[in-house]
Formats: sequence, C-alpha cells, structure tokens
Amino acid sequence: RKEVEQDPGPFNVPEGATVAFNCTYSNSASQSFFWYRQDCRKEPKLLMSVYSSGNEDGRFTAQLNRASQYISLLIRDSKLSDSATYLCAVNRGSSASKIIFGSGTRLSIRP
Amino acid sequence: DVKVTQSSRYLVKRTGEKVFLECVQDMDHENMFWYRQDPGLGLRLIYFSYDVKMKEKGDIPEGYSVSREKKERFSLILESASTNQTSMYLCASMTGTHSNQPQHFGDGTRLSIL
Repeated sequence: RKEVEQDPGPFNVPEGATVAFNCTYSNSASQSFFWYRQDCRKEPKLLMSVYSSGNEDGRFTAQLNRASQYISLLIRDSKLSDSATYLCAVNRGSSASKIIFGSGTRLSIRP
Repeated sequence: DVKVTQSSRYLVKRTGEKVFLECVQDMDHENMFWYRQDPGLGLRLIYFSYDVKMKEKGDIPEGYSVSREKKERFSLILESASTNQTSMYLCASMTGTHSNQPQHFGDGTRLSIL
C-alpha cells in the first residue's frame, strides 16, 4: 500500500458544480497536511494547508479525518480555471524531509 | 514572494554525460529539496539539504549526487546520465525545521537523456 494515495481521476464536472476528492495516508503519526495545485507542465503551487479543525479559503474547503486517515478537498461553484491536478502532501513526523506527495487527482471543468 | 529558480526549463543530454541541474532560492531558506516527477509515480524525493554542506538521501538517490556550498544554491548532479533518468526535475525550498511549513517549488527542468 502506498503511503499517500489519491484517485487519479480524471474528474470531469460541469462549471458551477461542487466537487470533492480525498487523499488517504497510512502513517497515523502524520502531523502536517497540504493541498497543492499543479497545472499542466508547471510546478506544484501550495493551495492550502489542512488544519485539524478544517479550514476554508473562498470556494475551497479542506478537512482532516484522523480516525479514517484521510484529508479532503471540496471545491464549490467550480470555475474553468480550477482545471488542474491536485496533489496532497503529508508529513510523517516533525522532520522537514519526511513529506510524501500523492500522485495527484486530475480535475477537468467543462463549460 | 518566495522565488525558487531552476537554471533550465528544458535540457537534452546524451547517455553517459555528467549533468548539472542548478537551483537558487532568494528567501534564505534552510531546507532545499530535489524531486523527480514521473507519470503515475508522483513526486519522489531524490536528496534534500537542511543546511550548507549538509545533505541527506531521499527515497531514490541512486545515480544522483548533490552539492550545497552556499545557502541559496542547491545543485543536483547526474554523474553518468542514463535514459531512465529522463524526467521532470523539481527543486523546492522551505523555511524552518518543522514540517508544518509548505514547500515552494521552482518551475521545473524537463530533462531528456538520449
């Protein structure tokens, strides 16, 4: 089993829809969680950190479920510009080096 | 804004060549990382450095070495390039010693080994 797993997609949804995807992790000692966005042939860019209590940034909501060991990303009122690959990143401990990235979930928003 | 700059966006080299990939960050970050990204495999850590002249192996260090002589610069070296090292290479930097800080990535270098 991979340490961090994501459904590769693609998720193909109409503009304006709400879409959500999860990222599961295997190490129960993980402390830090992030969502990154990566456009085609570009570098990953931080979308948001994921806090224990959940957090929201505009149309984006991130949640952490420690019991089931997954994080989620919800996008409301999706825009064409949201089309990208979304990578989750999970740390295994307090060391900066132990950050594992998922392979990404591809999202495509259609007009 | 954090700026991480990689020396080349695209690079084509031949098997057996020694290849240098350079990365510079302008935010005085302690930590720097080299990843490769391949379809279906995601980002895999090759090496990282937490201070000048300090380095640690990541998950796939074989065939690579690194150099960090100055805080702002982290170089990845392919000693003798092979075709299986054709990939997208991403450099990242991060402040602090705790992993609750995000990593900031450079634009990436798409390396082809012929």
